[in-house]
Amino acid sequence: QLVESGGGLVQPGGSLRLSCAASGFTLSNSWMSWVRQAPGRGPEWVANMNPDGSERSYVDSVKGRFTISRDNVENSLYLQMNSLRAEDTAVYYCARDSNWGQGTLVTVST
Amino acid sequence: DIQMTQSPSTLSASVGDRVTITCRASQSISSWLAWYQLKPGKAPKALIYKASILQSGVPSRFSGSGSGTEFTLTISSLQPDDFATYYCQAHNNPFGGGTKVEIK
Repeated sequence: QLVESGGGLVQPGGSLRLSCAASGFTLSNSWMSWVRQAPGRGPEWVANMNPDGSERSYVDSVKGRFTISRDNVENSLYLQMNSLRAEDTAVYYCARDSNWGQGTLVTVST
Repeated sequence: DIQMTQSPSTLSASVGDRVTITCRASQSISSWLAWYQLKPGKAPKALIYKASILQSGVPSRFSGSGSGTEFTLTISSLQPDDFATYYCQAHNNPFGGGTKVEIK
């Protein structure tokens, strides 16, 4: 099971940190990713991390602004989002392969 | 970086038709491919993972095949509830551009 939290309303240029608590499996044994879906749009892959944390990839639009990370003790995945833009407004999902959490809404607006 | 290409982008079909959607990966992804169904205002619904394994509760008219770089999603007999947009995704990687299945 994957449970996201940390979404909310933030002004352009602001920051948010999303969390994803995993249960029933060990995060450090799995490829993990963040996916988002903006209103009226299809899903978009945002970032991924390999099991040992040595490889991290990002969609071009978030490179240099977002950071994916993991806490093995807490068995949790994170997405640090800085310099947020209106176009980052979306529901963000934590994912392990095709299994997703329920999502957390991020709204970037004045 | 892995890139996924779907075809066609739009497909017009009738209830009862057999429908096939193709997805190509820019490099081999073995069988690490998932298919999703998207309807307006709803979260994507996972249909198939590891190229051919049906998610629990998904009707058996849906099937997936392929490995390496070429994959297909087939709906054996299109039902009214199946008119939607379908996306492929290499597990934990980018999505294809989507295929909208509309009423002919």
